[in-house]
Amino acid sequence: QSALTQPPSASGSPGQSVTISCTGTSSDVGGYEYVSWYQHHPGKAPQLIIYDVTKRPSGVPDRFSGSKSGNTASLTVSGLQAEDEADYYCNSYTGSNNSVVFGGGTKLTVL
Amino acid sequence: QVQLQESGPGLVKPSQTLSLTCTVSGGSINNGGHYWSWIRQHPGKGLEWIGYIYYSGSTFYSPSLKSRLTMSVDTSKNQFSLKLSSVTAADTAVYYCAREGPTWYFDLWGRGTLVTVSS
Repeated sequence: QSALTQPPSASGSPGQSVTISCTGTSSDVGGYEYVSWYQHHPGKAPQLIIYDVTKRPSGVPDRFSGSKSGNTASLTVSGLQAEDEADYYCNSYTGSNNSVVFGGGTKLTVL
Repeated sequence: QVQLQESGPGLVKPSQTLSLTCTVSGGSINNGGHYWSWIRQHPGKGLEWIGYIYYSGSTFYSPSLKSRLTMSVDTSKNQFSLKLSSVTAADTAVYYCAREGPTWYFDLWGRGTLVTVSS
C-alpha cells in the first residue's frame, strides 16, 4: 500500500478538464511545499510535470497545473488531449523519516 | 540533453545481490545541483524511493532498505550504481534511475529495467 492515496483511475473527454487527487498526512503533503507530479507512458521514462506543488518545468504545457489544500494535493489537466492518456504519480517529502513517498498512481483515460 | 540509462542483469537468484548501473549521458554527474537516485516499481504497484548518492559519494537511503543497500558513484565513467543484498521475490520490480532536485523531485528518469528475483 502506497503512502499517498490516489484514485486508481480518472477519465475525461477531449477538451475537458480532469483533476487527480493525492492525499497524505500532515507529515508529508500537508506539512511541506514539496509535492511533485509525474506523467508516465508505459515503456517510456516518467516525466516531471509539476514540482514544489505548483511549479511547471520548462517545456511542460500550462494545461497542467498543481495545487494543494491541507493534506491533499491536486493535479488538474485542462483541455484534455489524446496524448495526455497516461499514468500519473504524485510524490512528497515526508518529515516522519526524512524520506520520499509516492502515490499509487492514477490511470488517466481520454475518452 | 541529459539522458539516463539503467543496465544490469534481469534475473537474480534469491539471497544474492542485485547490481545495477545508471549511465548519465549528455551532461556531467559532477553537477553539484542534483542528487542521483534509484526508484523502483513493484509489478502493478506504485513507486518506491530507494535512495540517492551525491557526486561526492555521500549517500542517503530509504530507512526500509538501508540495511541491504550500497550505492556508489564513478565520476570518471559518469555512472552511479546500486547494490541490494539478500534479495527475495519481494525485490522483483522495475528499477529506475533518476536525477533528483533539491526539493525532493525527480526531473529526469531512465526508462527503467525489470529485475526478477527467482531461482
